[in-house]
Amino acid sequence: EADIYQTPRYLVIGTGKKITLECSQTMGHDKMYWYQQDPGMELHLIHYSYGVNSTEKGDLSSESTVSRIRTEHFPLTLESARPSHTSQYLCASSERTGEHGTDTQYFGPGTRLTVL
Amino acid sequence: KNQVEQSPQSLIILEGKNCTLQCNYTVSPFSNLRWYKQDTGRGPVSLTIMTFSENTKSNGRYTATLDADTKQSSLHITASQLSDSASYICVVADRGSTLGRLYFGRGTQLTVWP
Repeated sequence: EADIYQTPRYLVIGTGKKITLECSQTMGHDKMYWYQQDPGMELHLIHYSYGVNSTEKGDLSSESTVSRIRTEHFPLTLESARPSHTSQYLCASSERTGEHGTDTQYFGPGTRLTVL
Repeated sequence: KNQVEQSPQSLIILEGKNCTLQCNYTVSPFSNLRWYKQDTGRGPVSLTIMTFSENTKSNGRYTATLDADTKQSSLHITASQLSDSASYICVVADRGSTLGRLYFGRGTQLTVWP
């Protein structure tokens, strides 16, 4: 079991509210990621970070923002939640484990967000 | 266009039986291919990672194969157990960027019945 944690696990919130999804890892990994996953669909990368003070947008356009002030912490914030943000959000971290760039990604349990 | 296609979309088998899941990809340049197991409501857990030089890799009752020439991979599950019920996701990494871009399949939903 990987040492990566997400809170809350489930969140139901009204439209227009500001929310922050927490992600922490205790493995000392430099790389961290946020994915969005709808039921029966593939994971889509929305943000990633190579290390402290480094954040980049992923492939899927997202209205969320992230910060990386500490190595172990990578929170995701939605300033004004909308029903279209309803989804599962997965956080991951990785380390380089092979000479061919085989980063092993460890995923958190996810946050299931429902915006009413 | 880089894509990862998995088949079947869903599969039901009886406990104790074997099954094989398929993954076809068009990702180029290829770096490595991973199979993940995702239980309902949980994050994916890595089962195997194979680079272009590896044809097969096992992890307990899970055996993955890779044919880099035909861009196909399979995941074989032996003597299935109820706990094998999950979504199995094929993920292909390219080496065209520093990030090692990952392309995810939609997964095969496996259900094991007693």
